[in-house]
Amino acid sequence: NAGVTQTPKFQVLKTGQSMTLQCAQDMNHNSMYWYRQDPGMGLRLIYYSASEGTTDKGEVPNGYNVSRLNKREFSLRLESAAPSQTSVYFCATHRESKSPLHFGNGTRLTVT
Amino acid sequence: KQEVTQIPAALSVPEGENLVLNCSFTDSAIYNLQWFRQDPGKGLTSLLLIQSSQREQTSGRLNASLDKSSGRSTLYIAASQPGDSATYLCAAANYGGSQGNLIFGKGTKLSVKP
Repeated sequence: NAGVTQTPKFQVLKTGQSMTLQCAQDMNHNSMYWYRQDPGMGLRLIYYSASEGTTDKGEVPNGYNVSRLNKREFSLRLESAAPSQTSVYFCATHRESKSPLHFGNGTRLTVT
Repeated sequence: KQEVTQIPAALSVPEGENLVLNCSFTDSAIYNLQWFRQDPGKGLTSLLLIQSSQREQTSGRLNASLDKSSGRSTLYIAASQPGDSATYLCAAANYGGSQGNLIFGKGTKLSVKP
């Protein structure tokens, strides 16, 4: 039982390159989230998906797009990476809003 | 807008000591508050979740309390061990916000010395 799996673990991009961060969960949860964690800023919500087929913007969505491919998978895409997107990205999931949130181990992204 | 503050930012204690971590929030209209643990290079692990109707939750040596009227939550760790060394974060979930959007504090980095 892997829980929440994020790939890749590390990535270095040049400014302007694109990439997709992958997240998969085997917990049969409905809701999935993408957060970024920056020193001094804490965790901030980028996008979330309350259920398969729906996505909504969080606090800091600019520069990102998401796809809820099916119930298990929720991907985050950077179309044209910028140095300001250097961060650690976490995927999280829970069964419902009153349930504990389960996190993946993160993707550490550096944009040069 | 909800703001969550954790003080102190860092705490160092000798092994065996009982300790309290503090979390304060500005908007009392929360429907739950969660405490997480984060080890270096890892994701967050949920420790305790307190619903708005509850006053406290316990798990092993951990006890979390919630006082909505004062905008405070505390995490009590009994008989601390070196393995408790980690960053502890609290997060508040508000009615009316993005579903499941937790507002996180910046964390308290705990170091337990043998």
